[in-house]
Amino acid sequence: GAGVSQSPSNKVTEKGKDVELRCDPISGHTALYWYRQSLGQGLEFLIYFQGNSAPDKSGLPSDRFSAERTGGSVSTLTIQRTQQEDSAVYLCASSGTRDRGHEQYFGPGTRLTVT
Amino acid sequence: AQSVTQLGSHVSVSEGALVLLRCNYSSSVPPYLFWYVQYPNQGLQLLLKYTSAATLVKGINGFEAEFKKSETSFHLTKPSAHMSDAAEYFCAVSRQFRTGGGNKLTFGTGTQLKVEL
Repeated sequence: GAGVSQSPSNKVTEKGKDVELRCDPISGHTALYWYRQSLGQGLEFLIYFQGNSAPDKSGLPSDRFSAERTGGSVSTLTIQRTQQEDSAVYLCASSGTRDRGHEQYFGPGTRLTVT
Repeated sequence: AQSVTQLGSHVSVSEGALVLLRCNYSSSVPPYLFWYVQYPNQGLQLLLKYTSAATLVKGINGFEAEFKKSETSFHLTKPSAHMSDAAEYFCAVSRQFRTGGGNKLTFGTGTQLKVEL
């Protein structure tokens, strides 16, 4: 079946502009995660959605970052007033919740470059 | 807090040689441990996971890892390296969220594996 998809694959934006990154999880997966991969910080957790519960936003680096998940499926990560330090690969992952320690399936990522 | 440390940001082996990638974890509760592989310009793919069942875990592509509580280690091995194994490898640990059932992953800094002829 289809895996996790993300769009766009690459995004170049000017400093100060807003960007939206999209994630389509695997059908039926109730959990969705956003991570950021950058040279300076490695792989970092950003936010987690589980069904209709309130998201865990503990990893968001600033209030310029926000995310939503509509209808328990597609998620959008929004970065407002982008800064050069926001340049990174943004990875989305989804998982089922049937068992403890379930694996996360990752999308190919969106490479964001802020100029 | 949980963390993982990967020793060696770059490892180089000859084709056919043993692959050993090191990972040590820190966790105040029994951890779940994972190894992921990332090929260039691709997302992360799960190689194997430890979730408190058997301590020797076998994964895809001939990789395996052994959970050693006394050493707080979860090293990744493969008996014979292949050129196609060249990639970046990440060790990760997870904890349970207080609500729901998700597993936030905390990653190591990664080890770039190079396989030479």
